[in-house]
Amino acid sequence: EVQLVESGGVAVQPGGSLRLSCAASGFRFDDYPMHWVRQVPGKGLEWVSLISWDGSSTYYADSVKGRFTISRDNAKNSLYLQMNSLTAEDTALYYCAKDAGEPVPDNYYMAVWGKGTPVTVSS
Amino acid sequence: SYELTQPLSLSVALGQTARLTCGGNNIGSKNVHWYQQRPGQAPLLVMYRDRNRPSGIPERFSGSSSGDTATLTISRAQAGDEADYFCQLWDNRTAVFGGGTKLTVL
Repeated sequence: EVQLVESGGVAVQPGGSLRLSCAASGFRFDDYPMHWVRQVPGKGLEWVSLISWDGSSTYYADSVKGRFTISRDNAKNSLYLQMNSLTAEDTALYYCAKDAGEPVPDNYYMAVWGKGTPVTVSS
Repeated sequence: SYELTQPLSLSVALGQTARLTCGGNNIGSKNVHWYQQRPGQAPLLVMYRDRNRPSGIPERFSGSSSGDTATLTISRAQAGDEADYFCQLWDNRTAVFGGGTKLTVL
């Protein structure tokens, strides 16, 4: 069974930094791109970032570009999100998601989701 | 940047058909995916590449896309289908989500 377990979400002050982790199991981790998606409670989904299977390519939403860094350690079956210069607008539940990994151009989507880890940015 | 437009809400009578729409410029030329999110739960993929159902999703769920509109159709709606539904696609190196439609089953 595919499992994604996020961790690292805490309350942090504006301007602070945080590193989220996602532990993957039940599938060959290094075969798949991975996403981070966030959601303010009661609001819609906002895609944050995508990393290719080998980490060589990364993509970011404009709202986090230059502040967040996605990375992965395939030896540890783990995905990370380094979040710097945090603001109140970054407060959300952060989901880790496994891409479908289909060999189709312009076709990235989230086949399996974790339960999320909450991040609160407040003074 | 590309935008996806979904109605905020839709109501359907129990056992009837719900058609959830997702609007975007020439969306019919792109791959559209749909997620169901029940209250307090993580999103669940219910349709991929316009019209393909993942394993475990009932046949009551179907999808289509043409022109500027993609549609997720839920036949014989059940109480358990009550949820938020989000469409999504990949465009210009980013994933884009619609704002979501809250489906109420009466």
